[in-house]
Amino acid sequence: KNEVEQSPQNLTAQEGEFITINCSYSVGISALHWLQQHPGGGIVSLFMLSSGKKKHGRLIATINIQEKHSSLHITASHPRDSAVYICAVRSSGSEKLVFGKGMKLTVNP
Amino acid sequence: DGGITQSPKYLFRKEGQNVTLSCEQNLNHDAMYWYRQDPGQGLRLIYYSQIVNDFQKGDIAEGYSVSREKKESFPLTVTSAQKNPTAFYLCASRILTGSNTEAFFGQGTRLTVV
Repeated sequence: KNEVEQSPQNLTAQEGEFITINCSYSVGISALHWLQQHPGGGIVSLFMLSSGKKKHGRLIATINIQEKHSSLHITASHPRDSAVYICAVRSSGSEKLVFGKGMKLTVNP
Repeated sequence: DGGITQSPKYLFRKEGQNVTLSCEQNLNHDAMYWYRQDPGQGLRLIYYSQIVNDFQKGDIAEGYSVSREKKESFPLTVTSAQKNPTAFYLCASRILTGSNTEAFFGQGTRLTVV
């Protein structure tokens, strides 16, 4: 079993829909990262969380440390949100990031 | 603007040749990392460095080598010993001051070995 699991693996939505991407992990962590990878390959860091909730524009990220689960929500989705969304965790006391396989989101106009 | 620059974006090499991928950052970050991405898999750590002239192996270091002669530069050499070098390579960096800091990623280099 991977240390970081993302669901769903693929998602197709219509413009305007509310989207939720899930991430579960099995280790104690010091931080969880949500990353966005566009077709060109470059990765952008969206959020880094160690507790609670963060919001940036139409994106909201939450984390439940007790349940070892995080969600990324996209409100009023737009075709430009189409990308691969990657969850990564930094284990407590470790320098290493462990990555999920990513979730490919396609938002149709 | 500050950031991480990887070059080139696409690289083709013949089997058996060593190839060096460039990663430069002007963010004054302490730590730098190299990751490999294969289809259907999460990124995997190849090597990382937290300070100049020091680096540590990650999970898949075999067939790779790195150097950290300057704080801003962390080149990765893919040697002929790497059995499956064709992949997408990402460089990242982060500052180490404080307990949790965000990682910044480059745009990646897609290496194809023929």
